[in-house]
Amino acid sequence: DAKTTQPPSMDCAEGRAANLPCNHSTISGNEYVYWYRQIHSQGPQYIIHGLKNNETNEMASLIITEDRKSSTLILPHATLRDTAVYYCIVRVASFGNEKLTFGTGTRLTIIP
Amino acid sequence: ETGVTQSPTHLIKTRGQQVTLRCSSQSGHNTVSWYQQALGQGPQFIFQYYREEENGRGNFPPRFSGLQFPNYSSELNVNALELDDSALYLCASSSGSGIAHEQFFGPGTRLTVL
Repeated sequence: DAKTTQPPSMDCAEGRAANLPCNHSTISGNEYVYWYRQIHSQGPQYIIHGLKNNETNEMASLIITEDRKSSTLILPHATLRDTAVYYCIVRVASFGNEKLTFGTGTRLTIIP
Repeated sequence: ETGVTQSPTHLIKTRGQQVTLRCSSQSGHNTVSWYQQALGQGPQFIFQYYREEENGRGNFPPRFSGLQFPNYSSELNVNALELDDSALYLCASSSGSGIAHEQFFGPGTRLTVL
């Protein structure tokens, strides 16, 4: 699975959009980009995934560059409950392969 | 729909002992993965079980072993505990029918080895 690079920490004001970058310059054509987050002392929570196109769900938006070498997770209106460690993961999504390779992630702090 | 549950919540053991951690997968899920998360680190993949068979393993020694039962619940066993085994142990379940993009994690078991 491709390696990802994320900033270790970020702050964002409550109510503003939080933009979390991820670099995955060695991503292969069949690898998806996934985002999970982990709120303190809880298990990780799936947020969103994408292959080539931008994606949006009720939690967030995922913007993937055209060359797929980087992506940005956008939380449109951050709340205090969004304070967590956010992990960007790239992997081949194939049947029977559920392995997720986590890095150290970005610690996002939402400031009141 | 019941989520992923793990037991116990916390556990304290001493070096050399053995421990068994338990995980009940989300209803309808037949694939369970186990992860170890040391303090300040991201979770590290230990192994995965699909329909009672080990189906993928990370870089962990054989003293880490597991089981999956017919109801798809799972156990993680660690023998000859070492101090470095102190960590949060997480299990995650997924549907196992086709490509599962979303995995559902339990709250974890905090193991302390003294």
